[in-house]
Amino acid sequence: DAGITQSPRHKVTETGTPVTLRCHQTENHRYMYWYRQDPGHGLRLIHYSYGVKDTDKGEVSDGYSVSRSKTEDFLLTLESATSSQTSVYFCAISEAGELFFGEGSRLTVL
Amino acid sequence: KQEVTQIPAALSVPEGENLVLNCSFTDSAIYNLQWFRQDPGKGLTSLLLIQSSQREQTSGRLNASLDKSSGRSTLYIAASQPGDSATYLCAVEEAGTALIFGKGTTLSVSS
Repeated sequence: DAGITQSPRHKVTETGTPVTLRCHQTENHRYMYWYRQDPGHGLRLIHYSYGVKDTDKGEVSDGYSVSRSKTEDFLLTLESATSSQTSVYFCAISEAGELFFGEGSRLTVL
Repeated sequence: KQEVTQIPAALSVPEGENLVLNCSFTDSAIYNLQWFRQDPGKGLTSLLLIQSSQREQTSGRLNASLDKSSGRSTLYIAASQPGDSATYLCAVEEAGTALIFGKGTTLSVSS
């Protein structure tokens, strides 16, 4: 157990509303990641962080922003949610090169 | 651009059979390769991590091999059980990037 908690686990929202997903870890890992998983596309990297206030874009970063003000929390924000952002979002941490994932947050944008 | 392919997309076998899942990648300059298992509606569970300098890793009934020069990895599952039914994903790590995933092989083991 890598001590990763994602919240909320399920959320339904409307197009145009802001949404923030939270990833919390308890073991002081430096690297944290946000992925989305969609049928036919697999897992794709949105953003990642390599330390407090240090973040970088992934393959599908458009429409998403992230923040990491504390080691333990990595936030993913959809400023104005769209239906194309309906997905399952996974947070992950890296420990000695091995990735460990949270249980996922299922987001539905109506 | 690195691409990771897993074939077949789905596989059905009877209980007790030994099986091999395949993963191929287009750029051999990788740091490591990782195999995951995902149960429906759940997150990913790490199964095996193979560093670029290694040829294989074993955990219980699972054995993963890596051939960087040919851009291939295999996950061997011995004496399959119904509890092995899940989607298996492989992912590679390159310099300066996070993991790049294949789309997975969905395994069904019937009793």
